[in-house]
Formats: sequence, structure tokens, C-alpha cells
Amino acid sequence: DIQMTQSPSSLSASVGDRVTITCRASQNISNYLNWYHQKPGEAPKLLIYAASSLQSGVPSRFSGSGSGTDFTLTISSLQPEDFATYYCQQSYSTPIAFGQGTRLEIK
Amino acid sequence: EVQLVESGGGLVQPGGSLRLSCAVSGFTFSSYEMNWVRQAPGKGLEWVSYISIIGSTVYYADSVKGRFTISRDNAKNSLYLQMNSLRAEDTAVYYCARDKIEVAGPKATDYYYMDVWGKGTTVTVSS
Repeated sequence: DIQMTQSPSSLSASVGDRVTITCRASQNISNYLNWYHQKPGEAPKLLIYAASSLQSGVPSRFSGSGSGTDFTLTISSLQPEDFATYYCQQSYSTPIAFGQGTRLEIK
Repeated sequence: EVQLVESGGGLVQPGGSLRLSCAVSGFTFSSYEMNWVRQAPGKGLEWVSYISIIGSTVYYADSVKGRFTISRDNAKNSLYLQMNSLRAEDTAVYYCARDKIEVAGPKATDYYYMDVWGKGTTVTVSS
């Protein structure tokens, strides 16, 4: 089974900061990598699919990159509504696996 | 409006059973594969199960294999999760999520992602 590991597990940042979250797969998953974020009490929301494709309606300050085993999610200028928990997810093979999450908090 | 609404959660004793439902509206249910994903209190997301469009192919996480059964009724626009032999570690919010397939790239590769999620239903397994 493929394991997904995110870093850091938590992160404090300020509005306007540039933030990067990393996700590593335990084996090559090409670009079968999706990113979601989740606010407390809400369902997850898709941000990025296929490692770098922005989901419709998602602000352009979100971007994704990477291929193989190493991936990044970047938020170019943090906005108040971006403080949430972020998850990567591999869709290369079953069982589908999520990373453990990165909690993004206000500094 | 595209909507997924889960129901059927509740409090159940260890060893008991529950059947979750996910009612779908706003899109052609019979054209989409579907998933169940759960989240234990204070924990991350855990994929539980997948079902193909006509239900001929299903997959399960090892943690629920042999105890949970995913099914769908395309005529009723509904997805189900039958949960038997429930354990305390099954306590979680259960989400249904639509699987979107995007064909992209020079090799016309299929990319899968969960693009629409319900708000979830809470299952608590406790004596």
C-alpha cells in the first residue's frame, strides 16, 4: 500500500505570507496527487487535482507542483479564509490514501 | 445545485449494525463512481470504500473489509454503506464523495479526484 506523508504537521503563518506544504509518497505515483482543505465542522474541499490542475472556482493563489514521490502545495498570499487543515491524497492505486494533514494556523 | 446528503448515523453498541445512505441530487448519479470517506474525532481523513458506476466493482480499506458493504441504487439516486460488526474505532463522521474522472495529458490519462462531498453523518460506537 502507498503511504502519504505530509510536512509540516502544523504551521503558523500570517495573512499575506507565502506558504508551502509538502507531501511525499512512499512510491512513485506519477502525478496522481490531489489536494484538499477542510475547515472545522465542514466537509473537505478539492483544491488541486493531478498534482497541478486548479479545480474550478478555486483562487489562483493556490498552486501545486511535483511528480513521482514529492509534491508541494503553495499558497502565494494567505487570506483569512485559508486557515484550515490541508490534505494530500494519492489516486494512483487502491487503497486510496490521504496524508495525515497539515494544520495551518494564524500566527 | 449539486448535493450529497448523508443520513443513517447514530449511536450503536459494539458488534451492532448501521446502514448509511447518501441521497444525491443535481447531477446524473448513474454517471459517477462514488466513495465513502470517514474522519475519526480529531483525526485525519480515511478512505473507506469505492463503488463503480453500475456497482460491479467495489473496493474497501483493510480496516473495514469483510464488515462493511457498499452499494448503490441508480434508480433512487442513492449510495449506501452497510456497516456490521461495528467497533469503537469505527466511530467517525462518514462522508460520501463523488469521484470525478478527468482525461488529460498527451497520453489521455484518467485522473481521479473527489470533487463533491456531503456534509457527513456521525457514527458513534459505544456501550
